[in-house]
Amino acid sequence: GENVEQHPSTLSVQEGDSAVIKCTYSDSASNYFPWYKQELGKRPQLIIDIRSNVGEKKDQRIAVTLNKTAKHFSLHITETQPEDSAVYFCAARNAGKSTFGDGTTLTVKP
Amino acid sequence: DAMVIQNPRYQVTQFGKPVTLSCSQTLNHNVMYWYQQKSSQAPKLLFHYYDKDFNNEADTPDNFQSRRPNTSFCFLDIRSPGLGDAAMYLCATRRTGGMSDYEQYFGPGTRLTVT
Repeated sequence: GENVEQHPSTLSVQEGDSAVIKCTYSDSASNYFPWYKQELGKRPQLIIDIRSNVGEKKDQRIAVTLNKTAKHFSLHITETQPEDSAVYFCAARNAGKSTFGDGTTLTVKP
Repeated sequence: DAMVIQNPRYQVTQFGKPVTLSCSQTLNHNVMYWYQQKSSQAPKLLFHYYDKDFNNEADTPDNFQSRRPNTSFCFLDIRSPGLGDAAMYLCATRRTGGMSDYEQYFGPGTRLTVT
């Protein structure tokens, strides 16, 4: 089955700096890669996603890049704000089933 | 507007006492998922329904069962909850087909406590 590794497990940045979270996946058949933000006690919220036929996608301060050959994808958050502090999960989907990374706890210091 | 609704939001049950968690959706999505999320861990897929077809994950314990009586509702039954089953249970839905068939919508979750 699919295996997703996510790094780092914790990330602390100063407000205004950029944050990068990286994930690798094992199954080349995976074709959809969402990123979720989860605040304590709340549901995961989709913040950005990318399909396997696209190399990069951007939405305001958030961007995702995908390298299918190397089987890795990354989340980039620019101009971080304290409200970006949360746990971020990457996932890889194949045949309708998503496998999640272990999560990255992002802390943005004011 | 609530799209994926889970009831109850908080459930306390006793060790070994059967419990049922419910999920309903107003999206008319054909796929419904149940995830278990323990503290500080990633969501773990338990099973999913693709229309009426039930798909169990190989490592989902037999203690966990599911029912989907119609498109809108899906239930998670835990036959004999153990202390290790305390977790947040997340329901999610997805529609297949067309340009918007990828996004998965999560419900708010049910936090299960086992005493």
